[in-house]
Amino acid sequence: SQQGEEDPQALSIQEGENATMNCSYKTSINNLQWYRQNSGRGLVHLILIRSNEREKHSGRLRVTLDTSKKSSSLLITASRAADTASYFCATDLGGTSYGKLTFGQGTILTVHP
Amino acid sequence: GAGVSQSPSNKVTEKGKDVELRCDPISGHTALYWYRQRLGQGLEFLIYFQGNSAPDKSGLPSDRFSAERTGESVSTLTIQRTQQEDSAVYLCASSRIQEPRYGYTFGSGTRLTVV
Repeated sequence: SQQGEEDPQALSIQEGENATMNCSYKTSINNLQWYRQNSGRGLVHLILIRSNEREKHSGRLRVTLDTSKKSSSLLITASRAADTASYFCATDLGGTSYGKLTFGQGTILTVHP
Repeated sequence: GAGVSQSPSNKVTEKGKDVELRCDPISGHTALYWYRQRLGQGLEFLIYFQGNSAPDKSGLPSDRFSAERTGESVSTLTIQRTQQEDSAVYLCASSRIQEPRYGYTFGSGTRLTVV
């Protein structure tokens, strides 16, 4: 399997519910990033968490990182219909590979009004 | 400019033709990256520029693919003798330094369709 795999592949929830997406990876990383993509085009950076951090918050987003399990989760609280999009995690190995992000295949989130 | 600009936004080309895709990064961003995204897939790294040099070309799928960057600004990705498997969205990203604290800024991509 690939570095940076998301789970589930698709998630369908009602507005107001929380959405949790998981990401697993295989090798040691410098940081892990979450991105959002609407309509299969440009990606929007959501949050970056470094390997020495365990949790970060940004608005309704909460990201956790467990380096011992090589996994991360993205929680979107009180979801809105406008949160409907694909969400990708991306790992950055750092060192000479800085910026060479490895993306998973993404989670398609659908929030029903 | 305010964001990363890519052109054209859509390109349909016949198999065997050459295509050029353009990326205008954010002014002052020295690092520039090209990725490819096939339908329903995540992004695949193609090439990375620091200034005008490309220290990492490891993701270019074949010698039909090449890229250059001039003036630490605009970059072009050229695909020669296009094949149907080259159909994808090609995304460009830039950052101020190689380790951006706040992630990378992506353009809206060029959707390439080879018929």
